[in-house]
Amino acid sequence: AQSVTQPDIHITVSEGASLELRCNYSYGATPYLFWYVQSPGQGLQLLLKYFSGDTLVQGIKGFEAEFKRSQSSFNLRKPSVHWSDAAEYFCAVYGGSQGNLIFGKGTKLSVKP
Amino acid sequence: ETGVTQSPTHLIKTRGQQVTLRCSSQSGHNTVSWYQQALGQGPQFIFQYYREEENGRGNFPPRFSGLQFPNYSSELNVNALELDDSALYLCASSLGQTSGRGAQYFGPGTRLLVL
Repeated sequence: AQSVTQPDIHITVSEGASLELRCNYSYGATPYLFWYVQSPGQGLQLLLKYFSGDTLVQGIKGFEAEFKRSQSSFNLRKPSVHWSDAAEYFCAVYGGSQGNLIFGKGTKLSVKP
Repeated sequence: ETGVTQSPTHLIKTRGQQVTLRCSSQSGHNTVSWYQQALGQGPQFIFQYYREEENGRGNFPPRFSGLQFPNYSSELNVNALELDDSALYLCASSLGQTSGRGAQYFGPGTRLLVL
């Protein structure tokens, strides 16, 4: 069965430091992968998506993610974190026949001044 | 281009009652998906509607039902509310029957509290 694992429940980084959020997926075919961000009390905003081609994808707000098939990973990165990046981040994989997304449990990012 | 909108933003109901949540899809999108997000969890897929028909369903009981209208807006209905139904309900719209390549765009959600 398809699944997504985000190993880190909570990460704290200093403002200006680099960030990497981990995501591992389980999917039989070529995965369609997504990263979403959710600010407190808000819906989900799409940061970036991977369908095929270049394994390094650029998204909004200076985020990027790298697809590594050999490691079944799709980690999210940002070179310099801003205080406004504090939020919860969700990795998702397209589930297939049902047309749904399968989400991880999320990683909460806190940013220290 | 208008984004996905949902109403109401918050709702309080008591156990056993029924609730209807509404969603307007993003302009040009013909597919609507509903998700339930419990506190501290990722969203869980409830069902998807494409051209007014249910196109896929997650592991939710039949008391969760929906509709999609000709303008592609949608409703989620939950009957016989239970305490565990307390959650953030998210609507997402996309283009196309299989929404994988068409990324899903989410509304702000409706927070439901069942007492």
